[in-house]
Formats: sequence, C-alpha cells, structure tokens
Amino acid sequence: DTGVSQDPRHKITKRGQNVTFRCDPISEHNRLYWYRQTLGQGPEFLTYFQNEAQLEKSRLLSDRFSAERPKGSFSTLEIQRTEQGDSAMYLCASSLALSYEQYFGPGTRLTVT
Amino acid sequence: QKEVEQNSGPLSVPEGAIASLNCTYSDRGSQSFFWYRQYSGKSPELIMFIYSNGDKEDGRFTAQLNKASQYVSLLIRDSQPSDSATYLCAVNPFSGGYNKLIFGAGTRLAVHP
Repeated sequence: DTGVSQDPRHKITKRGQNVTFRCDPISEHNRLYWYRQTLGQGPEFLTYFQNEAQLEKSRLLSDRFSAERPKGSFSTLEIQRTEQGDSAMYLCASSLALSYEQYFGPGTRLTVT
Repeated sequence: QKEVEQNSGPLSVPEGAIASLNCTYSDRGSQSFFWYRQYSGKSPELIMFIYSNGDKEDGRFTAQLNKASQYVSLLIRDSQPSDSATYLCAVNPFSGGYNKLIFGAGTRLAVHP
C-alpha cells in the first residue's frame, strides 16, 4: 500500500497526559498537512510542511501543540497536557509540490477522558 | 459568513437518480476546488477536483464551477446505495497562499433502494 499511513489509529488518554501521533506521507510527496476534524464538521487546517520546513501554522494550533518533520519524510504531531476539547480525529494529508490535490491518511482518533 | 458553506442535508435520493450537491465559498481569489467523500468513521477520499470555470466529468461524477458566483457543485449520476456518505467541499483559498484546504461541514447523502 503506497497511501498515507498514520499511527496509532486510536488513542485514549487521560486529561493532562502527552500524546504523539505519526504520519508517513506518500513517498514522493514533499508537502504534508495536519488537520483536525470533530463530529459533524469538516477538517480544520492545523499546519503544513514543505519538505522539513514548517511553513504555516493555524491559530488553532495552541502552544500545547507541536509538529515536526525532521528529515522531510514522516511527521509527528505532539499534544502536551491534553484537554477534553482535544478529542477529535487528527488527519494527515500529503501532496506533490506542484499539485494542490491532497490525499488523506486514515486518521488517528483521540479520546481524552 | 463561513468561508465554505454547504447544506448539511440529509439529501435523500432514490437509487438511479441524480444527486446534486452544492457549495459556496467566500474567498474570491480561490483557485482550486475539491470534492471529498467521507464514509462514517473513515477519512476523506478525494473524488473530484476542478480549477477552471465550467464542467468536469469523471465517470458518474461531474463537478461544476462558477467563479463569478463563487459556486461549486457536484452531480452524481445513477446514484447507488454505496454513494451514501458525507460529501465535503474544499477550497484552496488565495488568503491561505493556496497551501491549505478550507472545508465545508459537508452534505450527508442518503441513496435509498
């Protein structure tokens, strides 16, 4: 399978704990995006990488959130001191540099208890 | 005003009929437009994209774009029960430097036998 992969697929954590998610984009895609989706809403943009450079961050991305893409391949999204409002599906997408078509991974569903 | 607006539905159509899904957007400088299908509990799947005014056909799907009216639509011909899903309209806004997608909340489509 050469699609976008995400790990883990599900995560249950207690409020106040830190969590980290991983995304592996399609191999030739150098753009990588993180989105968050809550029930009944469309995905909301969080952040975007071109290669290893994080070029844009949404105002939604509080200082508890950090994302990295150290070698321009996989990316990690960390949430520190999780809150119940962080419960959502976290989606990763990737695209080619000269294309605007984004392909999504299966998502990581986070539940904060 | 939301940046991308869709009727939440549900839109109920009989099997074999044409389903018409509509979307309006606020950023007049937007350049590219996407339709994603999302089954319950799954991630969005790209089904169509359109960049130019007019119609674009792909199998049973036709995307229509009218930039002057800031309006995008998706027609699904010969609707099947397997088409029952939420359809998300997404826009690459000029204000985002074309580096992110802004999604509507989606229209739920139900195709009944």
